Amino acid sequence: EAQVTQNPRYLITVTGKKLTVTCSQNMNHEYMSWYRQDPGLGLRQIYYSMNVEVTDKGDVPEGYKVSRKEKRNFPLILESPSPNQTSLYFCASSLRGQDNEQFFGPGTRLTVL
Amino acid sequence: QKEVEQNSGPLSVPEGAIASLNCTYSDRGSQSFFWYRQYSGKSPELIMSIYSNGDKEDGRFTAQLNKASQYVSLLIRDSQPSDSATYLCAVNIRQGAQKLVFGQGTRLTINP
Repeated sequence: EAQVTQNPRYLITVTGKKLTVTCSQNMNHEYMSWYRQDPGLGLRQIYYSMNVEVTDKGDVPEGYKVSRKEKRNFPLILESPSPNQTSLYFCASSLRGQDNEQFFGPGTRLTVL
Repeated sequence: QKEVEQNSGPLSVPEGAIASLNCTYSDRGSQSFFWYRQYSGKSPELIMSIYSNGDKEDGRFTAQLNKASQYVSLLIRDSQPSDSATYLCAVNIRQGAQKLVFGQGTRLTINP
């Protein structure tokens, strides 16, 4: 089944404890991105990747890191999480870029205490 | 002005009626427009994409694009309770660094 998977789905952590949210797609898509969704602010792009080893900042990249060592995986790293990073996170992929349909993962609900 | 604007709603429509959702955008150079549906607690899923001026129909859904007015809309005919969701407008903004920008979404409720 063609899909985008994310792990974990739910995470409660404490300030400053490094964490990684994994994202994987099995559709051989070139483009992958991370969004966060907050009430009243909608979906905002954190980082995106046009292809392996090519990443770029979105609208809200502060406090996040990403890497794209393999085509299928695009992990999101929070080196030192803070409470303002409490949010619902979505990974998405598309065939080539932002002109194509984005396929979203199921979401990761992160709480930073 | 926000790059992509939608009325947050809630928009309440009786079952069987036409639901009309609207979106405006700021970048005249935008070429790609999308409507996503998001059920509560779920991830967004694509309903329609539109790239040219005019109407595009897919089943009960019609997307309308007017680039001169910087306006894109989604019509849902014969609305069903299962259409109750938040509808997100997304526009590929090309000013400066290219990016896909989502509106805040319109919450739609279909009343039986």
